[in-house]
Amino acid sequence: AQTVTQSQPEMSVQEAETVTLSCTYDTSESDYYLFWYKQPPSRQMILVIRQEAYKQQNATENRFSVNFQKAAKSFSLKISDSQLGDAAMYFCAYRFDSNYQLIWGAGTKLIIKP
Amino acid sequence: DVKVTQSSRYLVKRTGEKVFLECVQDMDHENMFWYRQDPGLGLRLIYFSYDVKMKEKGDIPEGYSVSREKKERFSLILESASTNQTSMYLCASSLSLGTGSGNTIYFGEGSWLTVV
Repeated sequence: AQTVTQSQPEMSVQEAETVTLSCTYDTSESDYYLFWYKQPPSRQMILVIRQEAYKQQNATENRFSVNFQKAAKSFSLKISDSQLGDAAMYFCAYRFDSNYQLIWGAGTKLIIKP
Repeated sequence: DVKVTQSSRYLVKRTGEKVFLECVQDMDHENMFWYRQDPGLGLRLIYFSYDVKMKEKGDIPEGYSVSREKKERFSLILESASTNQTSMYLCASSLSLGTGSGNTIYFGEGSWLTVV
């Protein structure tokens, strides 16, 4: 069965510092996609970053980057120079090629300390 | 920007009532989804639609039905609301299911439903 595990229910970080959120997944597929979504208190889920499994290069989006370790089935999110606006629930999600089903982790609540 | 709009942010309904949750997307997306979100459980797919009048059951379809009469609109229906359906409901859409950035899923702001 395909599963996504986020082992950190809650993380906190000082403003301007760097934090890493962990995500592991279990799959037997070779072609798939991985996503990090952010859900701030306003509740709209927004895409932070996505990674295609066939790409060896780690995806980056401004202050957000991932460490994708395909063999280890690990997909962590690094947030650099944390800002107060980064406070949110962060969800890791997996989807294999041409399938509509997203498999979701339980989420990590990120707290930013001013 | 893609916009997915859920008509009601907060609803309170009585047990046994019929409840309609409406969702509209403005980007001509083929695919639309209804998820339920509960603390500690992540998101669970209720139903998925890949075309007008087409639907597929997700992980937890029991107690729910859906309607997609127009491409841009996807409705979730609780035929007889129960207290265990108190939750946050998220609508989403995507352009395609294939490769590339078109398969990214975009979400609405969510509808908080309380059944008393």
